[in-house]
Amino acid sequence: KAGVTQTPRYLIKTRGQQVTLSCSPISGHRSVSWYQQTPGQGLQFLFEYFSETQRNKGNFPGRFSGRQFSNSRSEMNVSTLELGDSALYLCASRARSGANVLTFGAGSRLTVL
Amino acid sequence: DQQVKQNSPSLSVQEGRISILNCDYTNSMFDYFLWYKKYPAEGPTFLISISSIKDKNEDGRFTVFLNKSAKHLSLHIVPSQPGDSAVYFCAASRTDSWGKFQFGAGTQVVVTP
Repeated sequence: KAGVTQTPRYLIKTRGQQVTLSCSPISGHRSVSWYQQTPGQGLQFLFEYFSETQRNKGNFPGRFSGRQFSNSRSEMNVSTLELGDSALYLCASRARSGANVLTFGAGSRLTVL
Repeated sequence: DQQVKQNSPSLSVQEGRISILNCDYTNSMFDYFLWYKKYPAEGPTFLISISSIKDKNEDGRFTVFLNKSAKHLSLHIVPSQPGDSAVYFCAASRTDSWGKFQFGAGTQVVVTP
């Protein structure tokens, strides 16, 4: 099985711009969640999607949004970028049934200048 | 509000010895706990998990202990190997909030020859 694929792997933006990150889950996985990793903060939960519906949301401002498509692929968008948005954004998928384990992609490294 | 804490940002251990990583949590509703390992430029990979109905789970060189009364879990790696050098994250979740995991800030483990 192919793993979780995230694109792009690296990107640089300037303050005020917006960015869209993409995630393709493991085949057959219908749940996709997004996490932000910054130094010293660990992984912070952004949101989770299942069958195109947002099921859970973390404590991030409305500038952070996401969606899921019918093929389970997901995108997250950050608008009006701030310097503090520089981080590694990780996508994870999991099977709805079975063990409650997340399988992560390699992440998208966003740098905001 | 950091509900999962890893108070040791780093740990150095000699090859062949035991590595002990600690994790504390504040939310008594958490009932499922996991450990992930992360190498640079890769996403976190699942190591081992434990349900709150157990106090110990083993998988090869890895053992996780859970002390619910103290809201504390630990990961033991015996014997430590150079390939174990990575950042380790503990994570916690609630059965009624599938998909939303709270992660600690991580512990960088360095295994020296």
